[in-house]
Amino acid sequence: SQQGEEDPQALSIQEGENATMNCSYKTSINNLQWYRQNSGRGLVHLILIRSNEREKHSGRLRVTLDTSKKSSSLLITASRAADTASYFCATRADNDMRFGAGTRLTVKP
Amino acid sequence: GAGVSQSPSNKVTEKGKDVELRCDPISGHTALYWYRQRLGQGLEFLIYFQGNSAPDKSGLPSDRFSAERTGESVSTLTIQRTQQEDSAVYLCASSLQPRGEAFFGQGTRLTVV
Repeated sequence: SQQGEEDPQALSIQEGENATMNCSYKTSINNLQWYRQNSGRGLVHLILIRSNEREKHSGRLRVTLDTSKKSSSLLITASRAADTASYFCATRADNDMRFGAGTRLTVKP
Repeated sequence: GAGVSQSPSNKVTEKGKDVELRCDPISGHTALYWYRQRLGQGLEFLIYFQGNSAPDKSGLPSDRFSAERTGESVSTLTIQRTQQEDSAVYLCASSLQPRGEAFFGQGTRLTVV
């Protein structure tokens, strides 16, 4: 079964706006990772946040983690048309890596 | 190779036939995962290999599905007596460490007709 649940399922914004996606999960984790998928094929790793971290930045990406609420958010600032993709959170516990259903982001030029 | 390689890229098979999907992980990566992704949906965990430990098969949907990996090398996912509901993209990923960043192949798109 899937571990994380992303919200919203779909998001459509204009270029230059910020995009925020959320992920909730159910069990204790070691870390949480965000991935991006273009055209329904391979996923690309974006950022990893450990369970003892609260916020992390990478370029235009900002990730937060609230382990008390079992939730994370991914913020993409100053979005570009090329950011159009599906975004997934993945939770890491002991051995496996479980994904949610993803958020489909569309950035209109 | 430089990345995770999966073959074939696309496979069309008749219902009831067996198929074998291959994954070549990044050299040195001890962890290897298989996922299934139906159209427009998320990634469904199938199986996880870590080094020489017993694999975590908890995600395999039925006994028609099996996977093997020898050491830290190639893995094969076999689906016996394929059904139309097996149609999906099968994704393989590997990581250097059990909880680290995972690198994905481009997947095998399986169509059962």
